[in-house]
Amino acid sequence: ETGVTQTPRHLVMGMTNKKSLKCEQHLGHNAMYWYKQSAKKPLELMFVYSLEERVENNSVPSRFSPECPNSSHLFLHLHTLQPEDSALYLCASSQDLAARYGYTFGSGTRLTVV
Amino acid sequence: SQKIEQNSEALNIQEGKTATLTCNYTNYSPAYLQWYRQDPGRGPVFLLLIRENEKEKRKERLKVTFDTTLKQSLFHITASQPADSATYLCALGTAAGSTLGRLYFGRGTQLTVWP
Repeated sequence: ETGVTQTPRHLVMGMTNKKSLKCEQHLGHNAMYWYKQSAKKPLELMFVYSLEERVENNSVPSRFSPECPNSSHLFLHLHTLQPEDSALYLCASSQDLAARYGYTFGSGTRLTVV
Repeated sequence: SQKIEQNSEALNIQEGKTATLTCNYTNYSPAYLQWYRQDPGRGPVFLLLIRENEKEKRKERLKVTFDTTLKQSLFHITASQPADSATYLCALGTAAGSTLGRLYFGRGTQLTVWP
């Protein structure tokens, strides 16, 4: 375990479903992130939170909705997704936004949209 | 927009040799560059960070160089072992300004070390 826990590890959902991805860290980090990783593509930054405030929304479609209720938890709410949204969704945290000591990633949620 | 290129998708080397991976970038002035290792089905794991004012950094069998003139970083694994087989990602970030908090990743290089 890296200290960042993501659940579920695998998720299959239909295009009309609503589901949520959960991320939890107890490292005392102040910044948390959602990344999308698709095959043969670089990691794409989706959202950045610092001290529970969203500081970055990287042109992500509204069918993805993040929530950060406290500095230890981060959610990604999903609704009416498309098959091309199938990917590995990674949560990461860092001490602060400057990330001088790197990111700590979770193991990801493998999402399949059918 | 910024562009990060890692030399090749795949690199195969024999055990005991030195693996050298390349990361080039354009349209960006990073404050630091990071290297990560990613195994199949797992999230990336942080390995090393090198700052713009540092030329070289070492950690055990790993060595990273950073040339801001060439806009390039080299990542070396000496005395490579089959257990080093994984995908290695480079990532660039800033320490201040409007891009603070954004870490941009390359596609990665898949390294295979054969016995």
